[in-house]
Amino acid sequence: GDSVTQMEGPVTLSEEAFLTINCTYTATGYPSLFWYVQYPGEGLQLLLKATKADDKGSNKGFEATYRKETTSFHLEKGSVQVSDSAVYFCALSSRGGSQGNLIFGKGTKLSVKP
Amino acid sequence: DAGVIQSPRHEVTEMGQEVTLRCKPISGHDYLFWYRQTMMRGLELLIYFNNNVPIDDSGMPEDRFSAKMPNASFSTLKIQPSEPRDSAVYFCATSLLPSSGNTIYFGEGSWLTVV
Repeated sequence: GDSVTQMEGPVTLSEEAFLTINCTYTATGYPSLFWYVQYPGEGLQLLLKATKADDKGSNKGFEATYRKETTSFHLEKGSVQVSDSAVYFCALSSRGGSQGNLIFGKGTKLSVKP
Repeated sequence: DAGVIQSPRHEVTEMGQEVTLRCKPISGHDYLFWYRQTMMRGLELLIYFNNNVPIDDSGMPEDRFSAKMPNASFSTLKIQPSEPRDSAVYFCATSLLPSSGNTIYFGEGSWLTVV
């Protein structure tokens, strides 16, 4: 079945460091791909998404490119801030099978130190 | 739009009691999801509805859990009787058809503690 694998955390960085959180997927067909962020005590919020191969999603300085050849959707940010501390979830929405669901990775906790 | 509205935000209850969690979806969204989040198991889909009809309830842990969507603007998740292992954050989320790339919007969650 469809699945998402993202790098295990926690990840601890200093402010202004470069961030990469790896995400790979297995899916039938061509899914849409998402990154969600969960700040402490809150629900999940969409950070960015890409709906077809080679699309780049971007928001708040974060970017991820839909790579069909490597089945990946890695999240990057050039210079993280303390306010980016949160849990990040990679997810896919399949076009086959259960079309009404998002399949989430396990989440990666990011802590940014001043 | 006010977003997905969940209630209660926090609930502490005694083992054996009935718990009812409520969700008001974003107007016009025809998909509604109930998720559970714990430290041990992460984010789990319990059940989802399309046009008020349950489509997949394979994630519901056992018969103590039930969910209803009597109309397009309201859904409930009920646990009866509750147990300490049900302590978790329960999220309601809604969207248009996700497989078309539509965003799923989450509520702020109901934080349940069963003692």
